[in-house]
Amino acid sequence: KAGVTQTPRYLIKTRGQQVTLSCSPISGHRSVSWYQQTPGQGLQFLFEYFSETQRNKGNFPGRFSGRQFSNSRSEMNVSTLELGDSALYLCASSPDNYEQYFGPGTRLTVT
Amino acid sequence: QKEVEQNSGPLSVPEGAIASLNCTYSDRGSQSFFWYRQYSGKSPELIMSIYSNGDKEDGRFTAQLNKASQYVSLLIRDSQPSDSATYLCAAHEAGTYKYIFGTGTRLKVLA
Repeated sequence: KAGVTQTPRYLIKTRGQQVTLSCSPISGHRSVSWYQQTPGQGLQFLFEYFSETQRNKGNFPGRFSGRQFSNSRSEMNVSTLELGDSALYLCASSPDNYEQYFGPGTRLTVT
Repeated sequence: QKEVEQNSGPLSVPEGAIASLNCTYSDRGSQSFFWYRQYSGKSPELIMSIYSNGDKEDGRFTAQLNKASQYVSLLIRDSQPSDSATYLCAAHEAGTYKYIFGTGTRLKVLA
């Protein structure tokens, strides 16, 4: 089976811009979670989607949003980018919200 | 604030030795626990999951869970230099679709 894919892999944006990241889960996996990873904070949970419904959300400002499509693919959007949003954004898929499998991540740099 | 705590390390062990990685969690309702390995610049890779008290073995890896003490550990037997990585412990938060990750323990296996 193909693994979790994320696009783009690298992104450089300017403060104030917005960005959309994409994640395609493993075939058959209906749960998709998003995380932000920074050296100082570790892995921080952003949100989880299952069958197009957001079931849980972490403690991030409203500038961070996401959605899931009927084919389980998911996108996350960050509006009005800040320097502190520079991070590795990881998507993880799961068949049943137990064992999660991570994609390679999107490294976002905000200048 | 529910937490998963790990010693950041680095934990240095000689090649061939047993590496012991530990993790404590605060959510007494958590029932599912996971160990991930993350190489520098890469995304986390699932190594083990454990749901019941006791030991679970998979090759050179053994996960141990003690729910009464809220303690999870990972033993790596016959450690190899290729095991050098950061090991992340995660707990599935009770009643949610959310995982809480520790900040990771950096393991160095010395040849």
